[in-house]
Amino acid sequence: LAKTTQPISMDSYEGQEVNITCSHNNIATNDYITWYQQFPSQGPRFIIQGYKTKVTNEVASLFIPADRKSSTLSLPRVSLSDTAVYYCLPVQGNTGKLIFGQGTTLQVKP
Amino acid sequence: EPEVTQTPSHQVTQMGQEVILRCVPISNHLYFYWYRQILGQKVEFLVSFYNNEISEKSEIFDDQFSVERPDGSNFTLKIRSTKLEDSAMYFCAGGAGTNTGELFFGEGSRLTVL
Repeated sequence: LAKTTQPISMDSYEGQEVNITCSHNNIATNDYITWYQQFPSQGPRFIIQGYKTKVTNEVASLFIPADRKSSTLSLPRVSLSDTAVYYCLPVQGNTGKLIFGQGTTLQVKP
Repeated sequence: EPEVTQTPSHQVTQMGQEVILRCVPISNHLYFYWYRQILGQKVEFLVSFYNNEISEKSEIFDDQFSVERPDGSNFTLKIRSTKLEDSAMYFCAGGAGTNTGELFFGEGSRLTVL
């Protein structure tokens, strides 16, 4: 299973764009990359998923380079309510099982 | 938007007692999971369930744990004889397939073992 490395914490200010990069050097060919968000005392919430290149939805964008050894979650114009833990997770294509790491705690300041 | 419902939201029990945590997954989901999160720690995979049987379980999921989906709707996690270290938030999750990483998590059941 691919091991992921992401910053433990990040600070930002309201209205800024935030980019959180995750490295996954040994990602398997059939693994997807997903990102989840978790608020305190709540279940994780799916944000976005991709395999290669760029994916965008109403919440975020996900950039995955051709070698797929890293991915970057981009949150446009964050607000205070985006303060949360963000997890980068490779998903085994044949099990759907998610293995969570420590994630990145994003603190958005006014 | 459909959601995963978990009950109880909080349960306090004495060590050695049996606990059942219940989950109602989204109706068209076929794959079900239990995860737990000890306070301040990461979310840990416990078990996955598909086609009425366990498809994978972690080392945490020992003989004290069991899961079932008796009536096709409720998905339960039973801890037969609780220990202090079972105190955690337990999350149920479901998904429509394995070729996607999009799981829908419930709000969790907080278990406190005294």
